[in-house]
Amino acid sequence: NAGVMQNPRHLVRRRGQEARLRCSPMKGHSHVYWYRQLPEEGLKFMVYLQKENIIDESGMPKERFSAEFPKEGPSILRIQQVVRGDSAAYFCASSPLGRPNTEAFFGQGTRLTVV
Amino acid sequence: AQSVTQLDSQVPVFEEAPVELRCNYSSSVSVYLFWYVQYPNQGLQLLLKYLSGSTLVKGINGFEAEFNKSQTSFHLRKPSVHISDTAEYFCAVTSTGANNLFFGTGTRLTVIP
Repeated sequence: NAGVMQNPRHLVRRRGQEARLRCSPMKGHSHVYWYRQLPEEGLKFMVYLQKENIIDESGMPKERFSAEFPKEGPSILRIQQVVRGDSAAYFCASSPLGRPNTEAFFGQGTRLTVV
Repeated sequence: AQSVTQLDSQVPVFEEAPVELRCNYSSSVSVYLFWYVQYPNQGLQLLLKYLSGSTLVKGINGFEAEFNKSQTSFHLRKPSVHISDTAEYFCAVTSTGANNLFFGTGTRLTVIP
């Protein structure tokens, strides 16, 4: 049973470009969470999704950031018109149905660098 | 609102010595508590968690933690550390009905040979 898969592991974007981060949850998991880790800080919640639904996006910046978890395929975190302050590690976690916040497994993260 | 405070940003300790990493939380409801470890350029790995029951929780790699409700603490301990324990350790809290984990800012454990 493969773990949570994130790709790419490292992503470099120039200011103004779009960044697209992918997350494939563990098999059988229907809940996906995205967290952001700024340098020297802990993880901060961004968004919680189930298949085809955004359940909680209270941690998402109001502009330029969006997330989806389609019926088929991975969850996508999209950052439009990236700025230097978006440089961070972005982690995805997944959990099984019925245990959204006590059985979360994390991926290895995507490290975004904006130059 | 929930929050986690990790009082020590860095903890150096000699190999084979004991270590305690401190974690205090604040919450107005019943909590679930977690410790995660992050090795350099890696994701988070669950060390242990407290959901209910015994307040002393044993995890992987010889770590354990004790839930102390009166002191709102969940300190992580290991009686004898190894070089391979060098990593960043994060305490996290959540509760029934919450959608996410709230993380502390982390404690960097450095084991000195």
